[in-house]
Amino acid sequence: QKEVEQDPGPLSVPEGAIVSLNCTYSNSAFQYFMWYRQYSRKGPELLMYTYSSGNKEDGRFTAQVDKSSKYISLFIRDSQPSDSATYLCAMRRRSGNQFYFGTGTSLTVIP
Amino acid sequence: GAVVSQHPSRVICKSGTSVKIECRSLDFQATTMFWYRQFPKKSLMLMATSNEGSKATYEQGVEKDKFLINHASLTLSTLTVTSAHPEDSSFYICSACDLSGNTIYFGEGSWLTVV
Repeated sequence: QKEVEQDPGPLSVPEGAIVSLNCTYSNSAFQYFMWYRQYSRKGPELLMYTYSSGNKEDGRFTAQVDKSSKYISLFIRDSQPSDSATYLCAMRRRSGNQFYFGTGTSLTVIP
Repeated sequence: GAVVSQHPSRVICKSGTSVKIECRSLDFQATTMFWYRQFPKKSLMLMATSNEGSKATYEQGVEKDKFLINHASLTLSTLTVTSAHPEDSSFYICSACDLSGNTIYFGEGSWLTVV
């Protein structure tokens, strides 16, 4: 079993839709959770960073962490064509410097 | 947010030559940097973890004599692909861990083409 599971998609939604991206994980020691956006042929860009459980909102983006279910989500409201990219989740334990990545979900927002 | 600069963004080299890629953390110090390789439409593949002032830790299957990593300062790590072959052609990305160690920031990536 992989440490982090992420549906690769592809996911295609109409402009303005609410997008839900998800990752599950197996290691209950993970404490730090990140979402990255990667445009084609570019390096990933940090979107959201959360610690432990709870929600965090930044503009149209909301990150949720449910540690009891070992499940994290990224919601994108009012999706735009410019949101079309691959979204990667990442996480790490409290100690150590190893980060674990999902495989990425490819999202296309259709105008 | 923190900025990681990677250079060059694109490089073409001949088979058998070596090429160096630089990764710099511009506005923070990074004791740990990571090097990844990414094939088209595939996920990131961690190659090695680079710690300032010490030898890099390579992932299983990555040839340390072929992919030389140097992390001589808190803001610079380099990856040198030695005796490059066409199969080394790929997208190479670095990332740097901020001092809290809790998150990482990626460079823009470097496209290597070996002809």
